[in-house]
Amino acid sequence: AQKITQTQPGMFVQEKEAVTLDCTYDTSDPSYGLFWYKQPSSGEMIFLIYQGSYDQQNATEGRYSLNFQKARKSANLVISASQLGDSAMYFCAMREGSNDYKLSFGAGTTVTVRA
Amino acid sequence: SAVISQKPSRDICQRGTSLTIQCQVDSQVTMMFWYRQQPGQSLTLIATANQGSEATYESGFVIDKFPISRPNLTFSTLTVSNMSPEDSSIYLCSVTTQGKGPYEQYFGPGTRLTVT
Repeated sequence: AQKITQTQPGMFVQEKEAVTLDCTYDTSDPSYGLFWYKQPSSGEMIFLIYQGSYDQQNATEGRYSLNFQKARKSANLVISASQLGDSAMYFCAMREGSNDYKLSFGAGTTVTVRA
Repeated sequence: SAVISQKPSRDICQRGTSLTIQCQVDSQVTMMFWYRQQPGQSLTLIATANQGSEATYESGFVIDKFPISRPNLTFSTLTVSNMSPEDSSIYLCSVTTQGKGPYEQYFGPGTRLTVT
């Protein structure tokens, strides 16, 4: 079964607007971490934001925020005030357990920001 | 954070040959991983590189095809052996550090491999 599901293959957003990227996950481990990475066309993986399963508050990092709904097993990424440089592929990933650092990735969502 | 470099950054290889990819980190890291990203696809974990011992491979990946070495805490190599066009992918090295944050997990710039 898929551990991470990203249902939006591609999205278009107008510059300066906000965009929400969906991510749902599946795990029976009470301890897990959720990551979002950005991959521009150059191929590098850029870490954006992290949410731990025991974190009480939603994570925020600058223009990135994570809408963590534990009961629904969703961890949506919100990018506010989109910029042209935000055009990239975005991956949601999960790490299960406290000691295992392996990541399971979703299929990714391509974001295209329009001027 | 850790600074990770990979060599080569890209290569075009003929089928049947082998390519060794290097991953160098600027500081000692706890764990090193190798991921593969086939064209238009997500990332898939190939193996965990263990220092001084055999790598731990994920289902679907074998040592004969993807031999991995990790002689110390800052360096690892991945070899793609007897290549076929299906091996055309981006190969990414990833590391974790013993930092305070649980999100201490970084990726190298990747090696873009094309097999003809």
